[in-house]
Amino acid sequence: KQEVTQIPAALSVPEGENLVLNCSFTDSAIYNLQWFRQDPGKGLTSLLLIQSSQREQTSGRLNASLDKSSGRSTLYIAASQPGDSATYLCAVTGANNLFFGTGTRLTVIP
Amino acid sequence: EPEVTQTPSHQVTQMGQEVILRCVPISNHLYFYWYRQILGQKVEFLVSFYNNEISEKSEIFDDQFSVERPDGSNFTLKIRSTKLEDSAMYFCASSERTRIAGELFFGEGSRLTVL
Repeated sequence: KQEVTQIPAALSVPEGENLVLNCSFTDSAIYNLQWFRQDPGKGLTSLLLIQSSQREQTSGRLNASLDKSSGRSTLYIAASQPGDSATYLCAVTGANNLFFGTGTRLTVIP
Repeated sequence: EPEVTQTPSHQVTQMGQEVILRCVPISNHLYFYWYRQILGQKVEFLVSFYNNEISEKSEIFDDQFSVERPDGSNFTLKIRSTKLEDSAMYFCASSERTRIAGELFFGEGSRLTVL
């Protein structure tokens, strides 16, 4: 069964810092990987989708990479802002299911 | 911008009662999903729905759960006889293409509290 792990579980950084969130998965037979943002008590906002044939995707200050063979993805956030504070989830699509990690709770300190 | 909408945002019910959670997916999307998130735990897949039938379901989605698309816009999740452990945030999602190729868009969630 696919296991998705996100490290660290929580991260605090000062405003303006660049940061990297990590996601690892145990089964490399994935179709795509999606990064989401979740604000407290709210739904999931899609940030980036990387197909299994792609290596990275960029949207504004966000860049996500995918190394399928090693079972890893990273989400890079440039010039962090207090508004970036949220929980970031990665989810991988296997043959039968979309598997979520437990998330990284990011706090950007003004 | 098109979005997935869910109602109610919060429902409190007594154990054993029936609950219906409603979702309006994005209008041109063809694939619909329900997920749930128990407080402090991972988001878990419940069921996917395409062409008016269930295409996949997880082991969580037992006989007390059912889904329906009663008209051209709504997608509902029914829990027939709620248990305490059904307390969770339930998310509806939709995608234009299959989950394998397409991006999933989630609603804000319906928080279910079973007393």
